[in-house]
Amino acid sequence: DTAVSQTPKYLVTQMGNDKSIKCEQNLGHDTMYWYKQDSKKFLKIMFSYNNKELIINETVPNRFSPKSPDKAHLNLHINSLELGDSAVYFCASSQEGRVKKLFFGSGTQLSVL
Amino acid sequence: DQQVKQNSPSLSVQEGRISILNCDYTNSMFDYFLWYKKYPAEGPTFLISISSIKDKNEDGRFTVFLNKSAKHLSLHIVPSQPGDSAVYFCAATLNNNDMRFGAGTRLTVKP
Repeated sequence: DTAVSQTPKYLVTQMGNDKSIKCEQNLGHDTMYWYKQDSKKFLKIMFSYNNKELIINETVPNRFSPKSPDKAHLNLHINSLELGDSAVYFCASSQEGRVKKLFFGSGTQLSVL
Repeated sequence: DQQVKQNSPSLSVQEGRISILNCDYTNSMFDYFLWYKKYPAEGPTFLISISSIKDKNEDGRFTVFLNKSAKHLSLHIVPSQPGDSAVYFCAATLNNNDMRFGAGTRLTVKP
């Protein structure tokens, strides 16, 4: 039983399209995140949601919008895709505690042509 | 503005020897430091952490050392095993939030 699962694993699309990536966690965690791993391999936080409230947004273009229908899901919608959006996107979750360990999904490789 | 830096993109060691992965940071307000391990086509998985008030934390073959004055931490793996071959990410948190990651170091352990 996968703890944090995201779909699809690979996504190839044309510039200008709108796409979504889904994420679900079955760990009962309070907070979910989206990270982007860019071409230089840095993992950069995009969003986090805690009890349906956005608590971090790191200067991400408003073409990206997180949607959380419930505590176990945080989907990522991307409008008007651009070439520079090509990257690996990771969903993650964590529980409140002394050390905030993240549990990651296996990633979605997005290629914009 | 990369506040967490891993300056060695790769490291190769012989099985049974020690692997030392290094990480530097710039923000003295970081309160926790973590190491994650990543295999190809998988997400990073948590390995070990250390509070900023400690200088060492050990878990089996893995030990993390923190030198606050130098703003430097390192992960020691001993003895190294071929299954340890992966990309290792250093991360740091502010107020137990806002986790910042380095670019990772690819470790190869040769049999």
